[in-house]
Amino acid sequence: GAVVSQHPSWVICKSGTSVKIECRSLDFQATTMFWYRQFPKQSLMLMATSNEGSKATYEQGVEKDKFLINHASLTLSTLTVTSAHPEDSSFYICSGLAGGGYEQYFGPGTRLTVT
Amino acid sequence: AQTVTQSQPEMSVQEAETVTLSCTYDTSENNYYLFWYKQPPSRQMILVIRQEAYKQQNATENRFSVNFQKAAKSFSLKISDSQLGDTAMYFCAFTLGRDFGNEKLTFGTGTRLTIIP
Repeated sequence: GAVVSQHPSWVICKSGTSVKIECRSLDFQATTMFWYRQFPKQSLMLMATSNEGSKATYEQGVEKDKFLINHASLTLSTLTVTSAHPEDSSFYICSGLAGGGYEQYFGPGTRLTVT
Repeated sequence: AQTVTQSQPEMSVQEAETVTLSCTYDTSENNYYLFWYKQPPSRQMILVIRQEAYKQQNATENRFSVNFQKAAKSFSLKISDSQLGDTAMYFCAFTLGRDFGNEKLTFGTGTRLTIIP
């Protein structure tokens, strides 16, 4: 199957700072990428959908000014958590969708801890 | 809007036994795709099996098979000869796919499966 990487796998930051998470499709071109958030023992919650070269579409209740998503190329999307607070601590997962396909390929996730 | 329901929060079964995880969904569309994903303790999402709604034949992947009942909107996962490595969280998921311009995946709440040695 297709491979998606995320970097970093775990990040600790101080309250008030910003942190960037990268999502890369390694062996396919991801025309659409998705960002999810997952709390412990819960399901994945879709945060936003991004198409290469376009602005991201955010789900209801997700602050777009806080969670900045950039999908500048067909192999890279980034999620920046701005002015992070302890409640932003969570597990963030990205996925990529190849052109013409319907199956999402998931990255390994990034654990964010805000102190 | 589409919804996916997994009514079994937790299940456990003895190693080598067979276990069935249930999933129901709701949609008014006729063409769609269903998936079972496994999330082990590493938290990497792993595709277990997929089913295209236009296919009547149930999908199988080695020890994993589904019982797809389109009219009943049911999509259960059967794991045969269960192994310790099957211990994980299992999510049922639904998408209309790209044909509808809506590739979003809708996930169920998950079933935590434990295989007992």
